[in-house]
Amino acid sequence: QVQLVESGGGVVQPGRSLRLSCAASGFTFSSYGMHWVRQAPGKGLEWVALISFDEIYKYYADSVKGRFTISRDISKNTLYLQMNSLRAEDTAVYYCAKDRAAGGLKGGYYFDYWGQGTLVTVSS
Amino acid sequence: SYVLTQPPSVSVAPGQTARITCGGNNIGSKSVHWYQQKAGQAPVLVVYVDSDRPSGIPERFSGSNSGNTATLTISRVESGDEADYYCQVWDSSSDHRVFGGGTTLTVL
Repeated sequence: QVQLVESGGGVVQPGRSLRLSCAASGFTFSSYGMHWVRQAPGKGLEWVALISFDEIYKYYADSVKGRFTISRDISKNTLYLQMNSLRAEDTAVYYCAKDRAAGGLKGGYYFDYWGQGTLVTVSS
Repeated sequence: SYVLTQPPSVSVAPGQTARITCGGNNIGSKSVHWYQQKAGQAPVLVVYVDSDRPSGIPERFSGSNSGNTATLTISRVESGDEADYYCQVWDSSSDHRVFGGGTTLTVL
């Protein structure tokens, strides 16, 4: 069965850096795009970043562009999110999620599996 | 960027039908996907590509999409359906994924 297990969260001071990891298993990791999605306390879901299956494409939400970097290590079946210049508003639970193409005439993509999340708190 | 609008809350009595809407400009031309998130848990996909259900999701969950509104319908609502529900689409102009603001379903 598909499993996504995030790690690396914690408390960090504003302006500092943190790297999140997501260990994937139960599917061919190298064949699927992967995402990070976050949820601030008491708020809704916010898409953060996408890396394509072949690592050619990387896209970021405007709120994190230039500060966060998504990457993956196929040999370790692991997804990463390097977060630099952290701000208080980056405080959230960060989920990794597996991408799935919708197919059909309309196309599109959705998240078919999610990890349990890791909490990042940015505070002095 | 593309914007999805959901009502903040919907309330329904047990056994009744809940309808959660997701509004967007010509959303009927896009595939819409729905996620259920119970308190303290990760989101779970409940409907994809407008109206398909993943394995393990009860038939009580259904979806539709036309014009400027997509709808998640939950029939014969149970107390266990209490959760936040999010709609999501793919913004083809940016390749970004977009979520609605979420709707809290309360079972009275």
